[in-house]
Amino acid sequence: NAGVMQNPRHLVRRRGQEARLRCSPMKGHSHVYWYRQLPEEGLKFMVYLQKENIIDESGMPKERFSAEFPKEGPSILRIQQVVRGDSAAYFCASSQGRQETQYFGPGTRLLVL
Amino acid sequence: KQEVTQIPAALSVPEGENLVLNCSFTDSAIYNLQWFRQDPGKGLTSLLLIQSSQREQTSGRLNASLDKSSGRSTLYIAASQPGDSATYLCAFQGRGSRLTFGEGTQLTVNP
Repeated sequence: NAGVMQNPRHLVRRRGQEARLRCSPMKGHSHVYWYRQLPEEGLKFMVYLQKENIIDESGMPKERFSAEFPKEGPSILRIQQVVRGDSAAYFCASSQGRQETQYFGPGTRLLVL
Repeated sequence: KQEVTQIPAALSVPEGENLVLNCSFTDSAIYNLQWFRQDPGKGLTSLLLIQSSQREQTSGRLNASLDKSSGRSTLYIAASQPGDSATYLCAFQGRGSRLTFGEGTQLTVNP
């Protein structure tokens, strides 16, 4: 059973470009979470999704950020018009049920030049 | 607002020593408490999950305890090894599904 997969592992974007981060949950998991780790800071919750539904997006910045988890395919975290402050490690986690163990992917490290 | 605090922020010990990492949280409505390990530049590895109805969980040389009344959890590592060097994170899960993380304890085990 493969773990949580994220791609790309590293992403470099120039200011104003778009960043798309992908997350494939563990097999059998229908709950996906996105967290962000800014340099020298702790992990912060961004958004929680179940298939085709956003359950909790209270941690997501109101502008430029969006997330989806379609019926087929990976979950996508999309950042439009990136700025230097978006440079961070973005981690995806998945779980089998709502309050069960969350398993984390290796993260995508975004660098905005 | 839930806050999770980890003490100490950094810890350096000689190989073979037993050690305790501390985690405290402000919200008593806890559902789960999860301990993770993070290696530099890597993702998080789940170590132990304690449900609110449990007092402790054990896995190998690791033992995690939970005291809801005092809002504390401890991670005990027995007979530490250089391979244990990493950042250890505790994460609180309340009624919602989000995890609230502490800032972590950076552990160095010296051979």
